[in-house]
Amino acid sequence: EAGVAQSPRYKIIEKRQSVAFWCNPISGHATLYWYQQILGQGPKLLIQFQNNGVVDDSQLPKDRFSAERLKGVDSTLKIQPAKLEDSAVYLCASSLEPPKVFGPGTRLTVL
Amino acid sequence: QKEVEQNSGPLSVPEGAIASLNCTYSDRGSQSFFWYRQYSGKSPELIMSIYSNGDKEDGRFTAQLNKASQYVSLLIRDSQPSDSATYLCAFDSSNTGKLIFGQGTTLQVKP
Repeated sequence: EAGVAQSPRYKIIEKRQSVAFWCNPISGHATLYWYQQILGQGPKLLIQFQNNGVVDDSQLPKDRFSAERLKGVDSTLKIQPAKLEDSAVYLCASSLEPPKVFGPGTRLTVL
Repeated sequence: QKEVEQNSGPLSVPEGAIASLNCTYSDRGSQSFFWYRQYSGKSPELIMSIYSNGDKEDGRFTAQLNKASQYVSLLIRDSQPSDSATYLCAFDSSNTGKLIFGQGTTLQVKP
């Protein structure tokens, strides 16, 4: 079974620039999650999709972050404009039911 | 009050010893609890799930759940240097599929 795919694996940008991350979940997994993990902390849920509908985005900073899941498969997470505090690893995960399988993550550095 | 509390460590044990990792949580309605292992620079990997009070054993790992005390623990027997990692405790918030993570405990197993 193929795992969760994410790209890019690393990204370095300057503050106020924009960036986008891509996630391809495990085939057949209806639920997709984006987590933010700041160094030294546990992952924090940003947004949860069920198929292509949003289930929970209560912790997504909507003034700068956006996410979509077209056709209930792939998803993109965008940050515009980026701030220094957005430096983190962005993890995508998918599941049929708990628990979740995580992708390798995208490490974002904002300078 | 934090939703999940873990001692960040580091917890240092000699090779062959028992490592004991602890976690308390705030949501009394949660029914599902998980332990993830995260190696440095890697994404979290599920190692144990527990849903009912008592102990659950899987190889060298034992998870213990006490819902009345809102307490989950992970015991690692015969600790190996390859067990050195950060261990994340998580629970399913009100059984919605939304995982709430602790900050993780760093375990160091010394040869």
